[in-house]
Amino acid sequence: GNSVTQMEGPVTLSEEAFLTINCTYTATGYPSLFWYVQYPGEGLQLLLKATKADDKGSNKGFEATYRKETTSFHLEKGSVQVSDSAVYFCALEVIAGGTSYGKLTFGQGTILTVHP
Amino acid sequence: KAGVTQTPRYLIKTRGQQVTLSCSPISGHRSVSWYQQTPGQGLQFLFEYFSETQRNKGNFPGRFSGRQFSNSRSEMNVSTLELGDSALYLCASSLGGNVNSPLHFGNGTRLTVT
Repeated sequence: GNSVTQMEGPVTLSEEAFLTINCTYTATGYPSLFWYVQYPGEGLQLLLKATKADDKGSNKGFEATYRKETTSFHLEKGSVQVSDSAVYFCALEVIAGGTSYGKLTFGQGTILTVHP
Repeated sequence: KAGVTQTPRYLIKTRGQQVTLSCSPISGHRSVSWYQQTPGQGLQFLFEYFSETQRNKGNFPGRFSGRQFSNSRSEMNVSTLELGDSALYLCASSLGGNVNSPLHFGNGTRLTVT
């Protein structure tokens, strides 16, 4: 089956620190990979995605590279801000025959807290 | 463009009752997926609808059901509620069938079963 493992949290950083949240996966088939972010009281927002090996997704200063050889999709940001405090989810979707059936497999989430 | 809208935001029900949750997708999106989020199990896929047809289903009991209307709006129903059904229920929409069309989530319905 498919599974996603994220580094255990919570992660606490000072503003302007470097962020890495590790994510590894197992999948039957060739997955697309995603990072979603969830702010308190809200749903999930797509942060970035990558659909094939060596693709780099980026958005709002966050980056992640699809590494097929290590089955990883680690999230990084060079300088975090207090406003980045949220829960981050790594996820995958295996597209069957070119059709998405809306089923994402999520990691357990990593709580990030950034202090001023 | 309006996002995914879920109603109601909060719901309190008693064990044994049934509940219906509603989801309006982004205009033009034809696929609607439902997820359950709990502290213990995390985010789990319930089912997906496209053009009024259920195309995919997760590992949930038959008490969980859904439907989609011709305007792509979707409802999810849970019958004979149990305490363990307390969760945040998230709806997500996408164009459907396109790998470059990621899921867009609503803010969820928080269901509490007492």
